[in-house]
Amino acid sequence: QLLESGGGLVQPGGSLRLSCAASGFTFTNFAMTWVRQAPGKGLEWVSALSGSGSNTYYADSVKGRFTISRDNSKNTLYLQMSGLTAEDTAIYYCAKDFRSTYYGRFDPWGQGTLVTVSS
Amino acid sequence: EIVLTQSPGTLSLSPGERATLSCRASQSVSSTYLAWYQHKPGQAPRLLISGVSSRATGIPDRFIGSGSGTDFTLTISRLEPEDFAVYYCQQYGDSPYSFGQGTKLEIK
Repeated sequence: QLLESGGGLVQPGGSLRLSCAASGFTFTNFAMTWVRQAPGKGLEWVSALSGSGSNTYYADSVKGRFTISRDNSKNTLYLQMSGLTAEDTAIYYCAKDFRSTYYGRFDPWGQGTLVTVSS
Repeated sequence: EIVLTQSPGTLSLSPGERATLSCRASQSVSSTYLAWYQHKPGQAPRLLISGVSSRATGIPDRFIGSGSGTDFTLTISRLEPEDFAVYYCQQYGDSPYSFGQGTKLEIK
């Protein structure tokens, strides 16, 4: 139901845009979120966006560098990442929230896309 | 920010045994906004429990969530081979919504 894409190898300071294609539910009715997992580490919430796209939320670690957005006509969530550092290397997962406003109960999740920041 | 500390870091048990995983919060978790997720390598994380004790759709009743305030527990009553994975607790009562560092449940 959720399929991420757009990951890859990028140099420090570079940019990348992740996508998450959703299916099987009314996309605009649900907030969406990005969560990442660095190698050998646990889960870290990154960003969230309301169903309408009006309200955005960011972890301090990415604020000012990452931008979350969505195209409800395409049932797709995005994460534009810039100013990337090695600390951003991770598998990035998108997940569906419980309701249209950011709630924090994530189900289901996608399989993830790997972002590697290295020279 | 609420910090969640999970213990033990690794739990080694055999199929058929009972698993008890702990999640302790640095301050009281608002209402019942505590969830548990299961994560297997190469797979999508899966919601097991929300609202402290409510099983998500399709989750077997051997998964039991309990607790309140700052102390929460996930119990797996009788381990099946497919239960060996990493488990994360998450609080969603106070932003930023945080995860614990995980407990790895491995086959003994």
